[in-house]
Amino acid sequence: EAQVTQNPRYLITVTGKKLTVTCSQNMNHEYMSWYRQDPGLGLRQIYYSMNVEVTDKGDVPEGYKVSRKEKRNFPLILESPSPNQTSLYFCASSPGLAGVSRWTGELFFGEGSRLTVL
Amino acid sequence: DQQVKQNSPSLSVQEGRISILNCDYTNSMFDYFLWYKKYPAEGPTFLISISSIKDKNEDGRFTVFLNKSAKHLSLHIVPSQPGDSAVYFCAASLGWDNQGGKLIFGQGTELSVKP
Repeated sequence: EAQVTQNPRYLITVTGKKLTVTCSQNMNHEYMSWYRQDPGLGLRQIYYSMNVEVTDKGDVPEGYKVSRKEKRNFPLILESPSPNQTSLYFCASSPGLAGVSRWTGELFFGEGSRLTVL
Repeated sequence: DQQVKQNSPSLSVQEGRISILNCDYTNSMFDYFLWYKKYPAEGPTFLISISSIKDKNEDGRFTVFLNKSAKHLSLHIVPSQPGDSAVYFCAASLGWDNQGGKLIFGQGTELSVKP
């Protein structure tokens, strides 16, 4: 089954304790991205990656790191989490321009990771 | 600065009637518009999209209308069914050449379809 898998789905942690949210896709997609969803703000992009070893900042990158060492994985790292990073996080992927006749903008999302930082 | 806005946080309609969800945007350079549907404890799933060169796109019970002069798009669901109850997000993109087609989302509208 084609999917984007995130772990953990739920996490409660404390300020300053480093954590990693993993993301893996099995669709051989070129493009991957992280979003956070907050009430009244919709989804905002944190980081994105257009291919292996290529990453760039989105709209709200402060306090986050990412890496793209393999095509299928795109982990999100919070080196020193703070309470304002309490949010619902989504990983997403898309084929980009590779192997598609027409770019449609469609992103495939994971099920989300709800993070609470105390 | 919210470039994509959904001004109605919630909408309630009767089963069988039409649901109309609205979305406004500020950037006239947006190239593609999409609607996503989200159930609780799940990720958003793609519903329907429209290119900026069109004014209407239809897929079964779902139709998206784009009014570029008003910078407004709407999603029509006819007839509405209880299973359509979810949060709907509209999103816009400047195209693949701009940050890999980054999607900019609205705040979402929670649709409730009552039997």
